[in-house]
Amino acid sequence: QVQLVQSGAEVKKPGSSVRVSCKASGVSFSTHAFNWVRQAPGKGLEWMGGIIPISGTVIYAQQFQGRLTITTDDSTSTAYMDLSSLRSEDTAVYFCARDPRNLRYCSGNICFSKTWLDPWGQGTLVTVSS
Amino acid sequence: DIQMTQSPSSLSASMGDRVTITCRASQIISNNLNWYQQKPGKAPRLLIFDASNLEVGVPSRFSGGGSGTEFTLTITSLQREDFATYYCQQGYTTPYTFGQGTKLEIK
Repeated sequence: QVQLVQSGAEVKKPGSSVRVSCKASGVSFSTHAFNWVRQAPGKGLEWMGGIIPISGTVIYAQQFQGRLTITTDDSTSTAYMDLSSLRSEDTAVYFCARDPRNLRYCSGNICFSKTWLDPWGQGTLVTVSS
Repeated sequence: DIQMTQSPSSLSASMGDRVTITCRASQIISNNLNWYQQKPGKAPRLLIFDASNLEVGVPSRFSGGGSGTEFTLTITSLQREDFATYYCQQGYTTPYTFGQGTKLEIK
């Protein structure tokens, strides 16, 4: 049974940074892509970016370029999302979500194409407030 | 970016009803369209992938169809636990994009 467990809620000041973790269990970690999706209060879902640990391929949505860093620690099967220069509009629940396909032999951004997200972590509320 | 448009935005129905939600993509996405169910305070749950494939454990009253730019999610014989918000998502290319959601409420 694949399970993604995320770190707890955070309250941050504008201009600061936040790190959210996503620990995977019951799954071969490095050969799957891990994505980050956020949801502002009462709003829809917004994909932020993803990473494939085995190849080190990372991709970011354009609106987060320069502020978002996605990494993994393969030794602990954990993915991380670091978002900097926080502003009030970044207040949201942040989800990690796995691509269920085995991407062992895939390289490059094309690996993120033609897929779906399953399972998802439970979500982490990040509140940005002065 | 590929825009995903869902309709309706909200839907009121009774238990036992059949409902259909539509999702349109701004360009052809083959069959790379996925459907998720989200309940308040919970993470999205995958229902259908690649337009018509039912995820393991999802009841057979859920079905998906379509290809190209137009897709549907149909729920037959609504159960109480089906009242939730539904999102479509294109997995054709990054950035992945989602529809704005359809909130299914009890009439």
